[in-house]
Amino acid sequence: DVKVTQSSRYLVKRTGEKVFLECVQDMDHENMFWYRQDPGLGLRLIYFSYDVKMKEKGDIPEGYSVSREKKERFSLILESASTNQTSMYLCASLNGFSSGNTIYFGEGSWLTVV
Amino acid sequence: EDQVTQSPEALRLQEGESSSLNCSYTVSGLRGLFWYRQDPGKGPEFLFTLYSAGEEKEKERLKATLTKKESFLHITAPKPEDSATYLCAVQPLGGGADGLTFGKGTHLIIQP
Repeated sequence: DVKVTQSSRYLVKRTGEKVFLECVQDMDHENMFWYRQDPGLGLRLIYFSYDVKMKEKGDIPEGYSVSREKKERFSLILESASTNQTSMYLCASLNGFSSGNTIYFGEGSWLTVV
Repeated sequence: EDQVTQSPEALRLQEGESSSLNCSYTVSGLRGLFWYRQDPGKGPEFLFTLYSAGEEKEKERLKATLTKKESFLHITAPKPEDSATYLCAVQPLGGGADGLTFGKGTHLIIQP
């Protein structure tokens, strides 16, 4: 069964703290993504990675960075958390872009910045 | 610019009352259209992928259809456990990871 695991489900951090959100997939997928989901705004792409050590900015990369040192692991980093980064963060993975492939999501990480 | 619009934003049905959710899209050639179910506080769960106009897929009480401009998710005789937010996403031909565009979802409530 397909599995995308986000290590932290609920986090509360203080403004200015550095925050790490970890994601692991067990499907040997090449592509991994980080989205944030906010009421009324839907899913917005922060960053994605199509290979180890490769990354591309999505629609809203400001205030975030990512790391992909191993194929199965994709980390989202908030260098200095701010209250407007309070959100649900979703990690996803996908094995290529030909027909028949599907993007799979993790359970989500709820981040509150106070 | 690729766009996905889902309607209605929210829908309340009685148990057993069939209905349809709409996903209208504008894309420069479609590689695939995805439907997901999302329960409160959880990540989206994959339901279907549709690739070409006229294609249909079914799973239990759900049936997804596709035309050149929109997709429908038909729910037949729904049960309270079908309550969730249903998300639609499109991937254009030639699009990479940044080519996936999501709608904002339809929040479905099935009352016993």
